[in-house]
Amino acid sequence: EVQLVESGGGLVQPGGSLRLSCAASGFTFSSYAMYWVRQAPGKGLEYVSVISSNGGSTYYANSVKGRFTISRDNSKNTLYLQMGSLGAEDMAVYYCARDSSEYSSPSYFEYWGQGTLVTVSS
Amino acid sequence: QLVLTQSPSASASLGASAKLTCTLSSGHSSYAIAWHQQQPEKGPRYLMRLNSDGSHSKGDGIPDRFSGSSSGAERYLTISSLQSDDEADYYCQTWGSDSWVFGGGTKLTVL
Repeated sequence: EVQLVESGGGLVQPGGSLRLSCAASGFTFSSYAMYWVRQAPGKGLEYVSVISSNGGSTYYANSVKGRFTISRDNSKNTLYLQMGSLGAEDMAVYYCARDSSEYSSPSYFEYWGQGTLVTVSS
Repeated sequence: QLVLTQSPSASASLGASAKLTCTLSSGHSSYAIAWHQQQPEKGPRYLMRLNSDGSHSKGDGIPDRFSGSSSGAERYLTISSLQSDDEADYYCQTWGSDSWVFGGGTKLTVL
């Protein structure tokens, strides 16, 4: 069974930093591209970032480019999102998701985690 | 620009059918999409990939009550024999050259 478990969310002050983690199990982690998607309170889903299966390619939404860094450790089956210069607009539930196909260009999200809440407030 | 448009809300009666629509922006009518369901207070769940020719592949455990179809730039999700736990937000999603896009979501109310 595919499982994705996010952690690392919490309260952070404006301008602060936070690192999210996503522990993966039930599949060959190193074979799949992985994503971060967020959802602000009462809003829809927003793509944040994607990383290829070997970590060699990364892409970001314009809203987070230059502030967030996606990475992965295939030896630990873990996905990360380092977030910096956080503002109120970054407050959201952050989900990790797995791509649909092995070793392919990222396309759509086939499995999702339950999310971790990031609150930005002084 | 790759954009997906969904109606904000829809409603249908218990036991009836609901057909939700996702519209691709001009010039992108050949794109495949994916449908995702998000029940209240839960994470999203993948339902199916839907191609421009109407062929679709469903996620693990998705019942036959969920089906997809396509016409031009429109992508549809039909849910038959509506149950109370089908009341949820439904999002379409697509992908292009280094871009991944969600529609705004449709909130389905089961009456």
